[in-house]
Amino acid sequence: AQSVTQLDSQVPVFEEAPVELRCNYSSSVSVYLFWYVQYPNQGLQLLLKYLSGSTLVKGINGFEAEFNKSQTSFHLRKPSVHISDTAEYFCAVSVGGGNYGQNFVFGPGTRLSVLP
Amino acid sequence: DGGITQSPKYLFRKEGQNVTLSCEQNLNHDAMYWYRQDPGQGLRLIYYSQIVNDFQKGDIAEGYSVSREKKESFPLTVTSAQKNPTAFYLCASKDDSISGNTIYFGEGSWLTVV
Repeated sequence: AQSVTQLDSQVPVFEEAPVELRCNYSSSVSVYLFWYVQYPNQGLQLLLKYLSGSTLVKGINGFEAEFNKSQTSFHLRKPSVHISDTAEYFCAVSVGGGNYGQNFVFGPGTRLSVLP
Repeated sequence: DGGITQSPKYLFRKEGQNVTLSCEQNLNHDAMYWYRQDPGQGLRLIYYSQIVNDFQKGDIAEGYSVSREKKESFPLTVTSAQKNPTAFYLCASKDDSISGNTIYFGEGSWLTVV
């Protein structure tokens, strides 16, 4: 079974600084990869996803992520963060081509706090 | 607009009562899910449904029940058997198209036991 690790539970960063949120997964088969953002008291919103093709994926709000198959990683980056980026970020993995409910696994989340 | 609607946003329940959380989607998705999120925690799968009239237990199904009589609707009942029901509940549906394969979420419902 696949699992998702987000090594940093909290990441504080100053406004306009770059940030990287780390995500590693374990799976012996091909996967689809996702990043979601959750603002307080709201549902999760899709930031970006990797299904196939270019390993560098661009998403909303200036975020991007790079799929690295050899390192089984899908780290999220933003070159310059804003106060409004303060939120919880979840990495998720889905087994490619599957249609079953339990093949979508979420990481524990990383709390990004942008400081003025 | 297409999306997933959860209601109510906030719900208070007395101990011993059953409550039902509503989830409706107009995205024409076959698969739907219920997750539980405790403060500062990740998501835990309660139940999921691949098609109408079929649903499967997730990791923490005890004390919960669901039904899937219509494609658009997937209500969750939190029964009195659920020992610690206070949490944030998230409903989701999945785009199973080749270019999709993505889960989309509703805005969530807060349940508090008083």
